[in-house]
Amino acid sequence: DTAVSQTPKYLVTQMGNDKSIKCEQNLGHDTMYWYKQDSKKFLKIMFSYNNKELIINETVPNRFSPKSPDKAHLNLHINSLELGDSAVYFCASSQDARGQETQYFGPGTRLLVL
Amino acid sequence: GDSVTQMEGPVTLSEEAFLTINCTYTATGYPSLFWYVQYPGEGLQLLLKATKADDKGSNKGFEATYRKETTSFHLEKGSVQVSDSAVYFCALSDSSYKLIFGSGTRLLVRP
Repeated sequence: DTAVSQTPKYLVTQMGNDKSIKCEQNLGHDTMYWYKQDSKKFLKIMFSYNNKELIINETVPNRFSPKSPDKAHLNLHINSLELGDSAVYFCASSQDARGQETQYFGPGTRLLVL
Repeated sequence: GDSVTQMEGPVTLSEEAFLTINCTYTATGYPSLFWYVQYPGEGLQLLLKATKADDKGSNKGFEATYRKETTSFHLEKGSVQVSDSAVYFCALSDSSYKLIFGSGTRLLVRP
């Protein structure tokens, strides 16, 4: 069974479109995250939710809106996609928000904006 | 703010060679330190971690020791295999519980 799953795995779309990426974890964790990995492999946190409450919100354009309907799901909606949004987006989860907890990553969603 | 610096890659080694990937950090307080590995086309997996000074994390033959005096967490392995080829990320968790990653080091092991 996949611990952290994301859909879709690949997403190719036109500039200006709106798209969503879904994430689900079956580990019973309280905390979930979204990361963006650029073409140079640099990885940066975007958002984090703990028990469905937003606890980390980095400097991300407000075109990006996370939504957590329950503890097991954290979705990412992106409005008015731009070329610079092309990247790999990773979802992750951890038992709780304490810093020493291991984060478990999903396989990534490769987004290409044309 | 807190940051992680790791050596530029790619690092190319022959099988059975000794590996060191350097990682240094800047942080206020006492962060936890991690090494994550990303195999081609996959997400990141925890390789090892250390939560306090002088702790040694180890897994799959890899080791790293939390050195507060030198603010370092260098990754070592005595004998690398082709299957170790991947991108390795050093990371710290800061006082706001974020994971801050280094830029990643690509390792290529040749038979």
